[in-house]
Amino acid sequence: DADVTQTPRNRITKTGKRIMLECSQTKGHDRMYWYRQDPGLGLQLIYYSFDVKDINKGEISDGYSVSRQAQAKFSLSLESAIPNQTALYFCATSDLHRTGTGWSVNTEAFFGQGTRLTVV
Amino acid sequence: DAKTTQPPSMDCAEGRAANLPCNHSTISGNEYVYWYRQIHSQGPQYIIHGLKNNETNEMASLIITEDRKSSTLILPHATLRDTAVYYCIVLSGAGSYQLTFGKGTKLSVIP
Repeated sequence: DADVTQTPRNRITKTGKRIMLECSQTKGHDRMYWYRQDPGLGLQLIYYSFDVKDINKGEISDGYSVSRQAQAKFSLSLESAIPNQTALYFCATSDLHRTGTGWSVNTEAFFGQGTRLTVV
Repeated sequence: DAKTTQPPSMDCAEGRAANLPCNHSTISGNEYVYWYRQIHSQGPQYIIHGLKNNETNEMASLIITEDRKSSTLILPHATLRDTAVYYCIVLSGAGSYQLTFGKGTKLSVIP
């Protein structure tokens, strides 16, 4: 099984509909992220969560909301989908570990396979 | 977190070393350099990271200049499967941990 699982993998929805994208992870990581990627562009951070009680807006949070139901689950919702939210969405996880110098270092991030969302 | 600058695209002949540069002139003392790549529309994949010493793993080598203002990711023997967008990211070891991506370098490995 994949470390980070996104559902659904593909979705077509109509303008104005509410839609939820789900992400679950088996890495035991505290940190989870949601990104969107438009064709030919880089990833833009939508929301991120450092633990169940800590949720933060990213670069492009307008029109989106999230829920961290448990350490392993982080859902992204589009309350009223619009066509320019058509994109590829990725979920990711990472964690921290302390180095010998006492600093905290982000471990490598693990990404899901992506959800291709089309809003018509 | 410090910003990074990468060339938008590069070509490399199959079997040759691919050297991908990254400029991070505003990097601070506790910031690490990370490299990820994204093959077609798959989720990005971690490659390597480092603070100030050169690093090597099974995928690549990371060379960081002594002043830490730039780094180079080296794929020693590029294959067609290494064709991807490569992202250089600088992250603080303490404080803000937003994992944000720039536009990266599109590496094309040519047969």
